[in-house]
Amino acid sequence: DTEVTQTPKHLVMGMTNKKSLKCEQHMGHRAMYWYKQKAKKPPELMFVYSYEKLSINESVPSRFSPECPNSSLLNLHLHALQPEDSALYLCASRPYPLSEKLFFGSGTQLSVL
Amino acid sequence: DAKTTQPNSMESNEEEPVHLPCNHSTISGTDYIHWYRQLPSQGPEYVIHGLTSNVNNRMASLAIAEDRKSSTLILHRATLRDAAVYYCILRDNFNKFYFGSGTKLNVKP
Repeated sequence: DTEVTQTPKHLVMGMTNKKSLKCEQHMGHRAMYWYKQKAKKPPELMFVYSYEKLSINESVPSRFSPECPNSSLLNLHLHALQPEDSALYLCASRPYPLSEKLFFGSGTQLSVL
Repeated sequence: DAKTTQPNSMESNEEEPVHLPCNHSTISGTDYIHWYRQLPSQGPEYVIHGLTSNVNNRMASLAIAEDRKSSTLILHRATLRDAAVYYCILRDNFNKFYFGSGTKLNVKP
């Protein structure tokens, strides 16, 4: 299994909703990442987990809350989002520290109404 | 934060070589240079990476300047399937991968 699986593929939520994005990999990778990508822009780093511990938070607003419950699973909990948070949310994993290569999922397309 | 600069777009003819440039004048000695490409509605896909020496793999070659302030991704024979946005990325000491603005490559038949 060489895939990073993200669910759901599409999500529409209101500004008062609470929702979660899920990312799963079964490659034994010990670094996992969340990126945000607006249309026609490059991905922007949000969070990095190393060995299931949060190692990097790129000053992301607290309405985004990451969680890494085990080495295969990464969640992004969403609460009280704004319309400008609408974007493609990408998850990636890396066989840290053995390899440089990042493996990306196909992303969750989020629309906040 | 490490930064890279790339042209917005480039065009190539099918079956001809393509050279995609990237400037990273503020690179530090331990930053790795990565290239990824992204097709519409997909996540980025790994192409190649290097530190100091030129690198070759089955997809492409990476030429790194001696002072490491620039690099070039070389696709030896472009195909229509190579049309994508190509990102030049620096990976720093803290395990952070920073994407450049990307070059949209158009391949003409």
